[in-house]
Amino acid sequence: GAVVSQHPSWVICKSGTSVKIECRSLDFQATTMFWYRQFPKQSLMLMATSNEGSKATYEQGVEKDKFLINHASLTLSTLTVTSAHPEDSSFYICSAHFTGLTGDEQYFGPGTRLTVT
Amino acid sequence: DAKTTQPPSMDCAEGRAANLPCNHSTISGNEYVYWYRQIHSQGPQYIIHGLKNNETNEMASLIITEDRKSSTLILPHATLRDTAVYYCIVRYQAGTALIFGKGTTLSVSS
Repeated sequence: GAVVSQHPSWVICKSGTSVKIECRSLDFQATTMFWYRQFPKQSLMLMATSNEGSKATYEQGVEKDKFLINHASLTLSTLTVTSAHPEDSSFYICSAHFTGLTGDEQYFGPGTRLTVT
Repeated sequence: DAKTTQPPSMDCAEGRAANLPCNHSTISGNEYVYWYRQIHSQGPQYIIHGLKNNETNEMASLIITEDRKSSTLILPHATLRDTAVYYCIVRYQAGTALIFGKGTTLSVSS
């Protein structure tokens, strides 16, 4: 299947600092990428939809000024957590939309574990 | 998107078939059924998807009832590495996000 990478795989930062997470589609072009957040023992929660060359669409309750999303190319989307707080500690996962031989598919990155101290 | 209902947990013996059910009674005619799984601390992994007909690939088989109100994911010979949370998702529009429910935690034991 198609490959999606994330960098870094884990990061620890201090409260008040900003952290950037990269999501790359390695072997296909993705016009649409998605960002999810997952807290321990919970399911994935969609944060935003990122379309190449346009502004991201955020889900209700997700602060767009806190979670900055940029999708400048067909293979890269970034999520920047600004002024991070301990409650932002979570597992952040991106995915990329791909239309393959079997139709519409969505492939996920391995996730980035963010710990804010 | 239609909602799905899955049992919270299931157990399966290694080497046996694992049959994971999913109810999607409000599914509409052009919504697909997708299955993903998530192994602990990893990103979800695509397994299979289908619309009306049964589907099979190297990982699993998907059986969709004729009225499309339910489906079953079959792992023919479960291994310990199949221990994961399995998500059944229905989706209408191509390119829209997958919305995850709580899924089924499958525990495969030797």
